[in-house]
Amino acid sequence: DTGVSQDPRHKITKRGQNVTFRCDPISEHNRLYWYRQTLGQGPEFLTYFQNEAQLEKSRLLSDRFSAERPKGSFSTLEIQRTEQGDSAMYLCANGLAGGTDTQYFGPGTRLTVL
Amino acid sequence: QQQVKQSPQSLIVQKGGISIINCAYENTAFDYFPWYQQFPGKGPALLIAIRPDVSEKKEGRFTISFNKSAKQFSLHIMDSQPGDSATYFCAASETGANNLFFGTGTRLTVIP
Repeated sequence: DTGVSQDPRHKITKRGQNVTFRCDPISEHNRLYWYRQTLGQGPEFLTYFQNEAQLEKSRLLSDRFSAERPKGSFSTLEIQRTEQGDSAMYLCANGLAGGTDTQYFGPGTRLTVL
Repeated sequence: QQQVKQSPQSLIVQKGGISIINCAYENTAFDYFPWYQQFPGKGPALLIAIRPDVSEKKEGRFTISFNKSAKQFSLHIMDSQPGDSATYFCAASETGANNLFFGTGTRLTVIP
C-alpha cells in the first residue's frame, strides 16, 4: 500500500455520461500525476500537478477531460460525454519535488463505458 | 512512437529459475529507469530503479543491469517464485521531467 487512494475503484457508465474520479495523495507529496492504462498496455501520462498548479498536459488529454487539484491536496479527473474508447484504468501517482523522481501509484479506477 | 521497448511480451519460468526481462530506449536524455510490478486489478508498485552512473543494482532477488552504450536495461529475478507471477513494466524518464514513459509490459508466470 503506497498511501495513495483512489475513489471509486470501479465505475460503469453509459456513453455520453460524465464521470469524476478522485485521488487522495500521500500528504507530503506535492507532485501528482494522472495516467491512463488500457488493457495489455503500460500506463500513459495524462497530466501533472505541482501543488495546485497544473503544469503539463498530454495531447491524450482531450478537451473532454479536465483535472483539478484545489489547495494542492486531493485531485479530481473529470471526463465529460464519455465514449467507449475512454474505457481504461485511470491511475493517480504521487512524487516528491526535489526527491528521487520516484512515483507511487494508487490502485486505480477502472472505467467501463457501455 | 514507443519511447521504451520491452520484451518478451510474456514469460513462463519454473519455480527457482531466473526470469529476465529486457528494455531498450532511444532518448539519451533519459536518466532514471524504474521497474514496476503490477498484479491484476492493482496499480503498479515500484520494485527497483537505477540511474546511468551504475551498471547494476541489486535489491534482494531483483537485479537491474544497465548498458548505457547500448541503451538497454534489464530486470533479473533470481529464484523466481509463484508469488512473482505478475506483469512487469520498465519505464524511463529524465530527471525533473513530469512523466514516466512505460514499456508495454511482460506477463510473468512462475510455474510451481
